[in-house]
Amino acid sequence: GPKVLQIPSHQIIDMGQMVTLNCDPVSNHLYFYWYKQILGQQMEFLVNFYNGKVMEKSKLFKDQFSVERPDGSYFTLKIQPTALEDSAVYFCASSVDITEVFFGKGTRLTVV
Amino acid sequence: GDSVIQMQGQVTLSENDFLFINCTYSTTGYPTLFWYVQYSGEGPQLLLQVTTANNKGSSRGFEATYDKGTTSFHLQKTSVQEIDSAVYYCAPTNKVVFGTGTRLQVLP
Repeated sequence: GPKVLQIPSHQIIDMGQMVTLNCDPVSNHLYFYWYKQILGQQMEFLVNFYNGKVMEKSKLFKDQFSVERPDGSYFTLKIQPTALEDSAVYFCASSVDITEVFFGKGTRLTVV
Repeated sequence: GDSVIQMQGQVTLSENDFLFINCTYSTTGYPTLFWYVQYSGEGPQLLLQVTTANNKGSSRGFEATYDKGTTSFHLQKTSVQEIDSAVYYCAPTNKVVFGTGTRLQVLP
């Protein structure tokens, strides 16, 4: 079936540095999402993105976070600067419309 | 805003047991209701969805009925297998507002 790709699967970054998480969504999808999952905890919505704009974001989407999809390429989540509490698995997802959302396998971010 | 409640954080069963995971939701309007499943080391994937109230969705032996009256969307399976061990999320909208999830462990 359709696949959302997230590379790399694991990133380690020094606290205070910038990190960009990359997501290659399903090619004909129009809606894009990021979720955060701390180990052993529930999946939490961060942001969704459509037509070049953030449509909705949660309180977890701090000012240090930003998203973009320049020229229809990767959908990215940038964190600048990173903090220890940003360590988590970040899942990217995409969808055509209001039906099924497809998730990637996640990128584990470790801030040290 | 939209919300979902899954009371059971963890369910442990033996193979061939009956599974019931409850889910109640609170939304505006008449949303599509989803169950997603997350296997270890993977992202969530759609298990089933139901768009219309009072309809039932089913997939891989799992069933859920969209009950608008009780605002519930409980997940059931007659006979679980070890491979069903995963975390199950009920989600009432396409924003996919996840509840806390229910971790199912099926013992051989």
